[in-house]
Parts: sequence; structure tokens; C-alpha cells
Amino acid sequence: QKEVEQDPGPLSVPEGAIVSLNCTYSNSAFQYFMWYRQYSRKGPELLMYTYSSGNKEDGRFTAQVDKSSKYISLFIRDSQPSDSATYLCAMKTGFQKLVFGTGTRLLVSP
Amino acid sequence: NAGVTQTPKFRVLKTGQSMTLLCAQDMNHEYMYWYRQDPGMGLRLIHYSVGEGTTAKGEVPDGYNVSRLKKQNFLLGLESAAPSQTSVYFCASSPRAWGTIQETQYFGPGTRLLVL
Repeated sequence: QKEVEQDPGPLSVPEGAIVSLNCTYSNSAFQYFMWYRQYSRKGPELLMYTYSSGNKEDGRFTAQVDKSSKYISLFIRDSQPSDSATYLCAMKTGFQKLVFGTGTRLLVSP
Repeated sequence: NAGVTQTPKFRVLKTGQSMTLLCAQDMNHEYMYWYRQDPGMGLRLIHYSVGEGTTAKGEVPDGYNVSRLKKQNFLLGLESAAPSQTSVYFCASSPRAWGTIQETQYFGPGTRLLVL
């Protein structure tokens, strides 16, 4: 079983929809949770970073962490075609290396 | 700032050939990483470095060697390429601040490698 599980998709939504992307994990020691966005044929770029449980909002993006359920989510409001990309979750304990999910491919149609 | 750059962008090798992938960063970051990305496997850490002159093994180090002779450069070598090493290789760097937002990893654009 992988430490971090993520549905590969693709997830297809119309422009303006609310998108929910999720990851589950098995290591209860993970404390730092990140979402990276990766456009086709590009390197990943950091989108959101949260520590421990709770929500964090940045513009149209909200990251949510539920440590009791070992579940993290990324919500995208008013999705745009430019949001079409692969979204990677990543997490780590304090001094260990990042563990990445396999990524969910999102397609937002005009 | 160029950020993290990788050379070459694409390469085709025959089985048994050797090559070196070059990563350069101009952000004065202490830490540098090499990952490979394969369909259904996500990003997997090959080797990493926590400073000039240091290297350490990651999750999938076999068949690769690395060197960090200068702080800004991190080289990944394949001594005898195998078809299983066909992948997209990403370099990343991060500042020296574990467990904080400053530890964010910045990725390069990737190198696509095909081993025939």
C-alpha cells in the first residue's frame, strides 16, 4: 500500500464549477501538507502549504486537512480552463523527505 | 532569476550508454534533489544533497550517481542506461529551513529521457 493515495482522474468539469481534489495517507506522523500544480510538460509548482489540521484559503483555492481521517483536500472555486493541470499532493514529517501522491489530472472545459 | 534550469530537455540513449543530467539553480539554495516521474508512480526521490560536497540516497538510487561540487549545480549520472530508466527527471532545490514554508521545493522544467 502506498503511503499517499490519489485518484489519477481525469476529472472533467465545466468552467465555473467547484472542484474537489483529494488525497488519503497512512502515516499519522505527517505534519506538513502541500499541493503542487503541474502543467503539461512542466515542472511542479507549489500552490498551497498547510501545517497540521484545518483550512487555508488563498484566492479561489482552499486547502483542507483532516488528520483524524488522514485525508486532505484542495477546493477550487469558479474553476477556469487555465486550471487544467495535474494536481499533486505532497506531505512530510518534520525532518523527512516529501512523499508525493501520483497526481490527479483536472480538465476544465470552457 | 532563472530559478532552476535543467540540461538537456530531451535525450535518447541506447542501452548501456552513459550520460549526465545537469541541474543549476541561482537562488542560493542549500538543498537540491533529483526525482523521476513515471505514470502511476508519481514523483520518486533518486538522490538529494543538503549542501555543497554532500549527497545522499533517496527512494530509488540504484543505477544513478550524483555529485554536488558547486552549491549551484547538482549532476545526475547514468553510467549504463537501461530501458527501465526511461522517465522524466526533475531537479528541485529548497532553502535550508526544515519544516517551514521556506523549505518549499522549487522544480526545474524536467528532462525527458528515452532509453532504447
